[in-house]
Amino acid sequence: AIRMTQSPSSFSASTGDRVTITCRASQGISSYLAWYQQKPGKAPKLLIYAASTLQSGVPSRFSGSGSGTDFTLTISCLQSEDFATYYCQQYYSYPRTFGQGTKLEIK
Amino acid sequence: QVQLQQWGAGLLKPSETLSLTCAVYGGSFSGYYWSWIRQPPGKGLEWIGEINHSGSTNYNPSLKSRVTISVDTSKNQFSLKLSSVTAADTAVYYCARVVVVVGSRYYYYYMDVWGKGTTVTVSS
Repeated sequence: AIRMTQSPSSFSASTGDRVTITCRASQGISSYLAWYQQKPGKAPKLLIYAASTLQSGVPSRFSGSGSGTDFTLTISCLQSEDFATYYCQQYYSYPRTFGQGTKLEIK
Repeated sequence: QVQLQQWGAGLLKPSETLSLTCAVYGGSFSGYYWSWIRQPPGKGLEWIGEINHSGSTNYNPSLKSRVTISVDTSKNQFSLKLSSVTAADTAVYYCARVVVVVGSRYYYYYMDVWGKGTTVTVSS
């Protein structure tokens, strides 16, 4: 199975900050990567697929990039509603695998 | 607007079989894959498996010997069975719709609609 490793596992930031979360695959996965946001007690929400394609309805402050083994999710200007846990997920091969998550907290 | 409604037993004893069902409302059932994902308390997401409307399945090898995902197209429902549960199977279980689009130069796969989750606890 392809292992997905996110960094950092958690960090604190302030409203208005620009933040970047990294996801690394244990082998090349082309651009076959999705990002999800999860808030406590809620189901995950799709943000981005194909590494950089924004899901309909997701604010443009979210962006994704990368291919091969290294990917990033960037939030250009943090809003209060963005404090959550973020997961990357590869769909290059089965089984589909997720990163361990990055918890974004308010500083 | 597509909605997924899921249900099933929330408390099981070790060795019992977990059984969950997810119903699809407000949208087409065919043309998608339908997936199960779980999340142990305080931990990350684990993909369990998926099925399409014609019954083609993919399973996580780590669970494959115990998992069965089935579909009832007449009811727009799909189900998960996980046998011989232990405390390690305690988790929130989610169902999700999977969009799969394959082109000559692109491949999209994403879970765009999710159920609210069912908490399953395994305890003697």
